[in-house]
Amino acid sequence: AQKITQTQPGMFVQEKEAVTLDCTYDTSDPSYGLFWYKQPSSGEMIFLIYQGSYDQQNATEGRYSLNFQKARKSANLVISASQLGDSAMYFCAMREGRQGGSEKLVFGKGMKLTVNP
Amino acid sequence: AAGVIQSPRHLIKEKRETATLKCYPIPRHDTVYWYQQGPGQDPQFLISFYEKMQSDKGSIPDRFSAQQFSDYHSELNMSSLELGDSALYFCASSREGRRETQYFGPGTRLLVL
Repeated sequence: AQKITQTQPGMFVQEKEAVTLDCTYDTSDPSYGLFWYKQPSSGEMIFLIYQGSYDQQNATEGRYSLNFQKARKSANLVISASQLGDSAMYFCAMREGRQGGSEKLVFGKGMKLTVNP
Repeated sequence: AAGVIQSPRHLIKEKRETATLKCYPIPRHDTVYWYQQGPGQDPQFLISFYEKMQSDKGSIPDRFSAQQFSDYHSELNMSSLELGDSALYFCASSREGRRETQYFGPGTRLLVL
């Protein structure tokens, strides 16, 4: 079963507007972490923001914030004041907290954000 | 701040050849992960190492092997290359712990002809 779902294959937003990128996840582990990465056309994978399952507050990092709704199993990324340089693929990923086991990331299929001038 | 270093950045090989990809983690990071990202796909976990021991294994072909050395750098060895091995190979590193973020290297783009 797919653990991370990103249903929006692509989105367009005007420069300086805010945009929300959707991510839902599925896990039975009470301890997990959710990540968002940005992948520009150059290919590198850039860490944006992290949310732990036990975190009481939604994570924020500059223009990025994570709208974490645990009961709905969603972890949407909000980018405020979009910039042209935000045009990229965005991946949501989850790490399950298995004791003594792997900390590997499981990624969603990604979504392509295009910021228009 | 120091980042994950991968070499080479680009590699072109013929079918049935071998390739070695290298990864130098961020200083004081003790865990290394390898991911493979095919064209238009999401990254898939291959293998990970913690303190020089293999900690988990994903969908890594038997033709591939990897190890982590005493200085924590890691190498991914790929033999009998196939056309389908053409992909972007990422190395990521982190410190051990559930809250620790994995930081990715720039990737090695492998093309098998």
